[in-house]
Amino acid sequence: DSGVTQTPKHLITATGQRVTLRCSPRSGDLSVYWYQQSLDQGLQFLIQYYNGEERAKGNILERFSAQQFPDLHSELNLSSLELGDSALYFCASSVRLADEQFFGPGTRLTVL
Amino acid sequence: AQRVTQPEKLLSVFKGAPVELKCNYSYSGSPELFWYVQYSRQRLQLLLRHISRESIKGFTADLNKGETSFHLKKPFAQEEDSAMYYCALKSGRDDKIIFGKGTRLHILP
Repeated sequence: DSGVTQTPKHLITATGQRVTLRCSPRSGDLSVYWYQQSLDQGLQFLIQYYNGEERAKGNILERFSAQQFPDLHSELNLSSLELGDSALYFCASSVRLADEQFFGPGTRLTVL
Repeated sequence: AQRVTQPEKLLSVFKGAPVELKCNYSYSGSPELFWYVQYSRQRLQLLLRHISRESIKGFTADLNKGETSFHLKKPFAQEEDSAMYYCALKSGRDDKIIFGKGTRLHILP
């Protein structure tokens, strides 16, 4: 699959724990975006990286952090998890900053 | 504050009837606007963007700066149009992207 990939597909954990979500962009895409989708809030933009550097920040909590590595894959770290963090987390990538975004299948996080 | 509003959570339309999915935005400046679609069991994907002025799958959307709207329209709905539609705005100032909460379009046979 040459599209955006995300691992794991599903993650079930307990409150207070820390998890890492991984995203591999499409080949050649330099920009990576992270989104959180919950039933009540819809699709919320969290953060964007471009070629390894943070480019834009949305509604990302301080308990969350992300980075983009030299090989352009990205990780989203969620710590001190709360029940309200249960959501679908999407990653998207694009060639350049203003280009069409291609979305991954998402990681479903359940915090018990 | 930057905001995208999709006033309808659910829109049911008969096959063959016209479709209009509403999107209003709040932004001072020149935003980039997009419509994304998510079909059942598929990934979110770009449907169209205002700068390209294309018609994709029969859908069009015109940016109306006076009314701050970017409504998505199709003259004749098809059953395969049933999906979740999201309007999105990209800020030209800080590259932040804001999505609306989405409208589920249900095409009735």
